[in-house]
Amino acid sequence: GNSVTQMEGPVTLSEEAFLTINCTYTATGYPSLFWYVQYPGEGLQLLLKATKADDKGSNKGFEATYRKETTSFHLEKGSVQVSDSAVYFCALTENTGTASKLTFGTGTRLQVTL
Amino acid sequence: DAGVIQSPRHEVTEMGQEVTLRCKPISGHDYLFWYRQTMMRGLELLIYFNNNVPIDDSGMPEDRFSAKMPNASFSTLKIQPSEPRDSAVYFCASSSGMGVQPQHFGDGTRLSIL
Repeated sequence: GNSVTQMEGPVTLSEEAFLTINCTYTATGYPSLFWYVQYPGEGLQLLLKATKADDKGSNKGFEATYRKETTSFHLEKGSVQVSDSAVYFCALTENTGTASKLTFGTGTRLQVTL
Repeated sequence: DAGVIQSPRHEVTEMGQEVTLRCKPISGHDYLFWYRQTMMRGLELLIYFNNNVPIDDSGMPEDRFSAKMPNASFSTLKIQPSEPRDSAVYFCASSSGMGVQPQHFGDGTRLSIL
């Protein structure tokens, strides 16, 4: 079956620090990969996605590259802000041609301080 | 554009009572998902619908849980009778069908069973 493994949190960084949140996956086929972000009191929002190997997803200064050889999709940002404090979820879905279930990681809480 | 709308935002009730959570998906989306989020178990998919038809309810924890989608613009998740261990945040999400489309989440219903 499919699974997603994320690094344990919380991750605590000072503002302007470099961020990496690790994500690795196990899938039977060729999945699409996603990062979702959840701000306090809100639902999850799509942050970025990549649908095939070597694709790079990017949004709001965040980036992640689909690495098939290492089955990874690590999230990075060069300079975090206090407003980036949230929980980040890595997820995958099989490319079956129709919408299908997302498999989520457990989430990684990021805390950014001044 | 209106997003996924859930109601109520908060619900506090006593054990044994019936609880009904409501969701209005984004217009035009033909997939609807119900999730439960707890600290212990993370984000769990309970059930999802395609064109108002339940496709996979394998995540529904017990017979006490039921979900319906009478039309394309409305779905309910019902718990009867409720128990304290059902306390969680329940999210509804919707997506359009074809290809790898992101799921759009509502802000959730925070349910507390006393």
